Amino acid sequence: NAGVTQTPKFRILKIGQSMTLQCTQDMNHNYMYWYRQDPGMGLKLIYYSVGAGITDKGEVPNGYNVSRSTTEDFPLRLELAAPSQTSVYFCASTTSGRAGETQYFGPGTRLLVL
Amino acid sequence: GQSLEQPSEVTAVEGAIVQINCTYQTSGFYGLSWYQQHDGGAPTFLSYNALDGLEETGRFSSFLSRSDSYGYLLLQELQMKDSASYFCAVRDQGTGFQKLVFGTGTRLLVSP
Repeated sequence: NAGVTQTPKFRILKIGQSMTLQCTQDMNHNYMYWYRQDPGMGLKLIYYSVGAGITDKGEVPNGYNVSRSTTEDFPLRLELAAPSQTSVYFCASTTSGRAGETQYFGPGTRLLVL
Repeated sequence: GQSLEQPSEVTAVEGAIVQINCTYQTSGFYGLSWYQQHDGGAPTFLSYNALDGLEETGRFSSFLSRSDSYGYLLLQELQMKDSASYFCAVRDQGTGFQKLVFGTGTRLLVSP
């Protein structure tokens, strides 16, 4: 199993541009999450999904959108990039039985908005 | 809301024992998790405590006291590769059982 994969690894955006961060997991996990991590800080939840077709906001959802059409994929969309969205973005997944305990993280996407 | 407090940095030498504390305030506590993150890497799960007491996994142990809203991660026989950031995270009724709230992390520096 590849686990949780994320693309791209690194991206530079100009203010106002849009992009989609991709996340795929091959562990058949029904729970998936998007976090952002600013330098020297902890992880903040952006959006999460408890299954295909079901998504909900986390702590910091403004400026982002998600969709979950399949169990495997959970893309994160930035519509109008702003410098405040410069961060490292991590996708994570887990099974419903251990959703609040063990989460498996992807390698992250480093985003710089200039 | 939820809040977690951890020391920002801890230093120790190889072979030593170090304890990283975490105090939390939540509404309806379910459990406390610990994650390790090396610089430039992704967080990886270390341990989870739902009940009071000590959980041991190799050189790492995690302790929880629900009455004190307190837990700690104990790292024994420190190695250079243990230099990383360590995050505690809570699962509680306020956020929902399927979500975690992370602390700001403790940076552990292990020197020779």
